[in-house]
Order: sequence, then C-alpha cells, then structure tokens
Amino acid sequence: EAEVAQSPRYKITEKSQAVAFWCDPISGHATLYWYRQILGQGPELLVQFQDESVVDDSQLPKDRFSAERLKGVDSTLKIQPAELGDSAMYLCASGQGAADLYNEQFFGPGTRLTVL
Amino acid sequence: AQSVSQHNHHVILSEAASLELGCNYSYGGTVNLFWYVQYPGQHLQLLLKYFSGDPLVKGIKGFEAEFIKSKFSFNLRKPSVQWSDTAEYFCAVIPDSNYQLIWGAGTKLIIKP
Repeated sequence: EAEVAQSPRYKITEKSQAVAFWCDPISGHATLYWYRQILGQGPELLVQFQDESVVDDSQLPKDRFSAERLKGVDSTLKIQPAELGDSAMYLCASGQGAADLYNEQFFGPGTRLTVL
Repeated sequence: AQSVSQHNHHVILSEAASLELGCNYSYGGTVNLFWYVQYPGQHLQLLLKYFSGDPLVKGIKGFEAEFIKSKFSFNLRKPSVQWSDTAEYFCAVIPDSNYQLIWGAGTKLIIKP
C-alpha cells in the first residue's frame, strides 16, 4: 500500500538553528499539505500545494518558514531560525485530485521537532 | 471563522462498552465530514467520511457516524469497543468556502481491558 514518507522522524535542535523536513507524497498525488500539530490540538495547516504551485500559505510564518515543491513531487519545509515555540509535530499529507470538497488526504508519520 | 468542536478531550471506557464521541462544526454552508484515527505510534488514518446520501455512514473496524445537518453534528459511534480501539480520534470538516480541512482538537480514547 502506497504511503506518504517523511524524514527525519525526530529532530532535536537548538533555537536559532535551521531545520528542514522532507516529504514524499503518494505517487501521482497532485496536492500536498504541510501541517503543524501542537500536543493536545488538531493539525493546523501551514501550506498547501497544487502540483508545484502554492495554493495557500496564509498561515505560514513567512519570516522564518519556507516551503517548496519544485518539481511537483516531493517537498521540503524549512525553519530558519527555529524558536522554542516551534516544537511540535510536523505532518505532511497528500491528496489525489485538486483541493476540493472531496479530496481525501493521506498522512505521513510526521516529524517531531524539539527546539531546546 | 469555521471551527470544529470535540466535546471530550479524554474518554475512558471498559471493553464492550458503547462509544459515542461528539463533534460539532460551525459553518452554515456545504461541508464534507471526516473522522480520522491515530493509533499509538502510528500516523493519522481515515476512519470514515461523509460526502452525501445516507447521513449514517459506516467506516472501518465497526465504527459509524451520523450527520445531523440541523445540529451541525457528526458524532462517532461504536456499539462495543475493544482494547485495540485505544487511540486519538479527530473530527474534521472541509467547508465549501476554502476546501481546507478544519480540525477538532481530538479525543483521546482509552479502553481498559
């Protein structure tokens, strides 16, 4: 069964350092999503791609976060510099079709980030 | 702004008990609704979804949910829980305003053997 891959699974860094997370969606999936999930809360959308284009990044803190999906396949989320409040689980999801009412999302295992 | 409320953050039940987890959303337009589950150490996976038709939908592992439009609710049910149902359950909706998944805070379910 095809799955969304993410790496690393765990990352510990010191504040002010740069970190990067990688996501490989299910093959052929056009939409890709990055979420942040703080303990005890539901996921919060950071950025949404349709192929290689950003559809929505309104909730991405652009002063320190960046995301790209250059060839419309895998994606990288970067934080520079990391802050203590960035400690969270970062989830990647992909969907087969366009972002609409029917686009079921499939999730990867996530990257747990701890900022010291 | 659209939001999703899950009434209980933690639920503890004994095996064979019946389960109902509440979910309400705040949006007057068209929505599609989902329940996701996250078992310990595993990633989020879809439990069931409602797009249209019969408001009582059945999902995997004996779960079902009922969409009551007048109450803006999509409660999850299971008649008899098992120890293996221990997990965190998330309700989520996609509104037709922006097609983004709006999530509830989740309910941690613990089943005592």
